[in-house]
Amino acid sequence: EAGVAQSPRYKIIEKRQSVAFWCNPISGHATLYWYQQILGQGPKLLIQFQNNGVVDDSQLPKDRFSAERLKGVDSTLKIQPAKLEDSAVYLCASTPDPSSYNEQFFGPGTRLTVL
Amino acid sequence: AQSVTQPDIHITVSEGASLELRCNYSYGATPYLFWYVQSPGQGLQLLLKYFSGDTLVQGIKGFEAEFKRSQSSFNLRKPSVHWSDAAEYFCAVRDNQGGKLIFGQGTELSVKP
Repeated sequence: EAGVAQSPRYKIIEKRQSVAFWCNPISGHATLYWYQQILGQGPKLLIQFQNNGVVDDSQLPKDRFSAERLKGVDSTLKIQPAKLEDSAVYLCASTPDPSSYNEQFFGPGTRLTVL
Repeated sequence: AQSVTQPDIHITVSEGASLELRCNYSYGATPYLFWYVQSPGQGLQLLLKYFSGDTLVQGIKGFEAEFKRSQSSFNLRKPSVHWSDAAEYFCAVRDNQGGKLIFGQGTELSVKP
């Protein structure tokens, strides 16, 4: 079974530029999460999708971050414009559904450096 | 609000020695708890999880964890550490609304020969 795919793996941009990350979850997984992991910290949820609907985006900085999952499969996370403090690893995770007994499967992440 | 605390930022152990990584949680109801491991440049891999039942849970790679409700703890243990265990370890609790994971800040494990 293929795992969660993410691209690109690394990205370096200047502040105020825009960037987009892509995630393809495990086939059949209805729930998709984007987490931000700043160096030295644990991952923190940015947004959660159930199929193509948003379940939780309370921690997403909506003035600069956006995300979509139009067909309920793959997802794109965008930052526009980027700030220095956006430097982090962006992790995508998926699970069949958000019930208690299902683990979340994580992709390798995209490491973003904002200069 | 739920939270997870990992008191040790960095631990160094000798290869073959035993290991215990500490995790304390704050949660009102029965928690669903997880331990993940992250190797450099890799995503998070699940080591083990606790939902209910036996408070001593076994995981992959020889790891185990014990849930202690009275101490609000879920410590990770391994009897004999291998050099390949060097990585970052994260404890997490599942949020009771929506299912997101709330992570501790992580413990970096170094293994010396």
